[in-house]
Amino acid sequence: AQTVTQSQPEMSVQEAETVTLSCTYDTSENNYYLFWYKQPPSRQMILVIRQEAYKQQNATENRFSVNFQKAAKSFSLKISDSQLGDTAMYFCAFMNPAANSKLTFGKGITLSVRP
Amino acid sequence: EADIYQTPRYLVIGTGKKITLECSQTMGHDKMYWYQQDPGMELHLIHYSYGVNSTEKGDLSSESTVSRIRTEHFPLTLESARPSHTSQYLCASSEYRGTTEQFFGPGTRLTVL
Repeated sequence: AQTVTQSQPEMSVQEAETVTLSCTYDTSENNYYLFWYKQPPSRQMILVIRQEAYKQQNATENRFSVNFQKAAKSFSLKISDSQLGDTAMYFCAFMNPAANSKLTFGKGITLSVRP
Repeated sequence: EADIYQTPRYLVIGTGKKITLECSQTMGHDKMYWYQQDPGMELHLIHYSYGVNSTEKGDLSSESTVSRIRTEHFPLTLESARPSHTSQYLCASSEYRGTTEQFFGPGTRLTVL
């Protein structure tokens, strides 16, 4: 079974600064997907970024980028130029496409962006 | 606009009541999911479906049941609600092939008194 660990329950960052959210996972699979989802207060969960395990290049989406270290089973999210709208709960998630494509989530981290 | 909808958004009911949480999506997705999320905690999969007449239990045991009679509709039912069912319930959907992204609904926050 897969496990996803987010050991930091909350973080705070000054607006316009850069912050990195940590995530580690455990799996014996070689082919899988990793995701970061964002859940703003009282709003819909949305996908921030996705990484395919077979791709060595780290995924990037505008101000969001990941540091994917397959051997270390680490998948951190870097948010550059933090904005007030980035305040949310962030979940790291794992998917094994061969196992019914179910998502396994970490406990999440609450990120607060200070003005 | 393609989207995923959940009703009601908030529900407060008494113990023993039967409730149905509605979930509909207009994206034509084959796969649909129900997650349970306690405040500030991770999501746990309680049910999923790969298409019409297909339903499976998820990783977290739940007393709820689901049905999938139409592709776009995936309701969740609690026959007799209890305070232990108080939680947020999130519905999601994804394509059967291709992109692996799951799209989430806004959630239903259920409180059982």
